[in-house]
Amino acid sequence: DGGITQSPKYLFRKEGQNVTLSCEQNLNHDAMYWYRQDPGQGLRLIYYSQIVNDFQKGDIAEGYSVSREKKESFPLTVTSAQKNPTAFYLCASSIVLNLQGDYEQFFGPGTRLTVL
Amino acid sequence: DAKTTQPPSMDCAEGRAANLPCNHSTISGNEYVYWYRQIHSQGPQYIIHGLKNNETNEMASLIITEDRKSSTLILPHATLRDTAVYYCLLRFTDKLIFGTGTRLQVFP
Repeated sequence: DGGITQSPKYLFRKEGQNVTLSCEQNLNHDAMYWYRQDPGQGLRLIYYSQIVNDFQKGDIAEGYSVSREKKESFPLTVTSAQKNPTAFYLCASSIVLNLQGDYEQFFGPGTRLTVL
Repeated sequence: DAKTTQPPSMDCAEGRAANLPCNHSTISGNEYVYWYRQIHSQGPQYIIHGLKNNETNEMASLIITEDRKSSTLILPHATLRDTAVYYCLLRFTDKLIFGTGTRLQVFP
């Protein structure tokens, strides 16, 4: 099946520990994204990457880090510097379809991180 | 900041059409309007998008006003499984900026 996979679905960590969330896509999409969602809220952009070995900060990058060594993979590390890490984390990937800028973006199923 | 405004919640009877409005008065000429929905604790699901013309696919129809300052997503025959949060977004350069969406409740 083609798509975006995130693992695990649920993740528990102790306060002060770094944790890395996995995101893999086999859609051959160029760009990948990480969003955070808090209860009752919309999605907020953490980081995004348009090509391999390049990434940009989104609106709430503090306390997070990413890498993009392969086109298919965009792992997110939640560091101990992130003050409120408990949230639902969503990965997405996208591709521009034509010169008119038509575009598709798909999301993974998400990882719910709970820091105890 | 999100560039779209949606009502926080709406109800719809099963089998009836659900019309979800969205205001995007500051839209620029080359920005597309996208709609996604999110069922609880899942990733958002793409529904439809458009630039100027009305669009229809197997899931929904998108009606964009002539001045492009607002749009309406239409689910022609809502079912209980359509209960979700619906997000109207503008594609801002290479990012989608999400607001808080409309929580649609379909009731029997």
